[in-house]
Parts: sequence; structure tokens; C-alpha cells
Amino acid sequence: DQQVKQNSPSLSVQEGRISILNCDYTNSMFDYFLWYKKYPAEGPTFLISISSIKDKNEDGRFTVFLNKSAKHLSLHIVPSQPGDSAVYFCAATFFNQAGTALIFGKGTTLSVSS
Amino acid sequence: NAGVTQTPKFQVLKTGQSMTLQCAQDMNHNSMYWYRQDPGMGLRLIYYSASEGTTDKGEVPNGYNVSRLNKREFSLRLESAAPSQTSVYFCASSDLPGGSGEKLFFGSGTQLSVL
Repeated sequence: DQQVKQNSPSLSVQEGRISILNCDYTNSMFDYFLWYKKYPAEGPTFLISISSIKDKNEDGRFTVFLNKSAKHLSLHIVPSQPGDSAVYFCAATFFNQAGTALIFGKGTTLSVSS
Repeated sequence: NAGVTQTPKFQVLKTGQSMTLQCAQDMNHNSMYWYRQDPGMGLRLIYYSASEGTTDKGEVPNGYNVSRLNKREFSLRLESAAPSQTSVYFCASSDLPGGSGEKLFFGSGTQLSVL
């Protein structure tokens, strides 16, 4: 049973426009949410995160919004650039006696055309 | 500044063969992780180690074993490889041993094919 869901496998936008990537989760015990970006043949790299006690976090062109009541978060990229073309993974953290681990969604492939 | 180093980068195995994927980090991180990435499946956690001497199962641990050799190194072993284990394997480490907001640093991956 998937706890972190990215229902859109792909998204295409034009350069300069806004990109909105969505993510839903089922576990209300998640305490942190993160977005990772992955280029082909490379490992994922951290992009931005948000605590479950906040509803917005902004870092330059990237903003993450969290709606806890809907168990939904989104990543906004404004303006989108061709270099943003990559796979974006939504992830959530859980903590138990063994430590902390991340659960990832399946990813959304963003294509930004010039 | 190496970060997280995985070896080998590519490997082809025959069904039933065994092998160990190596991972080392030079950031003095406490936590280390092994993930696999399959088309349309995202990244799935195989095993993780919150600190030296501890390991725990993730989402898909069957068919794998791990060893946290020391703080730097975390290896993943396939005792009897199966075609279903064909995947890209990523090792990661984190500087937050037990708190929230884990920010993982990933290696560049090992592409494994089991024939």
C-alpha cells in the first residue's frame, strides 16, 4: 500500500511558466516532507523540505505548500527553466525505534520546453 | 569532496550468483540507506542503518542482507540473485540520526542486471 503518491507520471510546461507538481500521502504520522530532483544517470539530490507544522516553505524559485487536512503537498517552480527538466520525487519521513527513514513516491517527470 | 561512493557502477549477474554492493561516505554521517529504483516504482527502501551497529528492514528487504561495517561503510549483499532484482541501486547517507527532516545524500547508483 503506497503511503506517498504522485499520481501524475509526467508534466510538460513552457519555459517561464509555473510548474506545479503534486503529492498525496496517507500516513498522518509523517513529520517532514521533502522534494528530490533526479537527472538521468545521477543520484537524487535534495531540493526543498517542509515540516508538518508549517504550510509553506520557499527557496528561490521553489515553493512547497502543505495542506495537512487534505494530506496533500505541492511543489511550485516559478519561473520554470529548461534545466529544471528532471524527475521529481516527493518523500516523507517517519521515525520509529530503529531510526528515521524516507518513503518516496513514484516520481513525476517534468519537461520544460524553451 | 567525494560524498557517497558506490561500487561497482554496473554489474551483470547470472541467476543464483551472489555479490556485494559497496557504499562508503566521507561526511561522518550516522545514518545510511539502500534504495532500489525501478521504472514506474520510484525509490523503495531496502534496508537502513540509523547508526553504526544497527540495521533495520525497509519496504522491500527480501532477498537482501546488509552490513554496517563501520561508520563510513554500508554494504548490500545479494546471496542468490534473481531476475526480479534487476534494478538501479542507490546508497544514501544522512547527518540526522534520529530526528526529522532527513536530508539524504545519494550516491550515483549501481545498475544491476540479473540474467
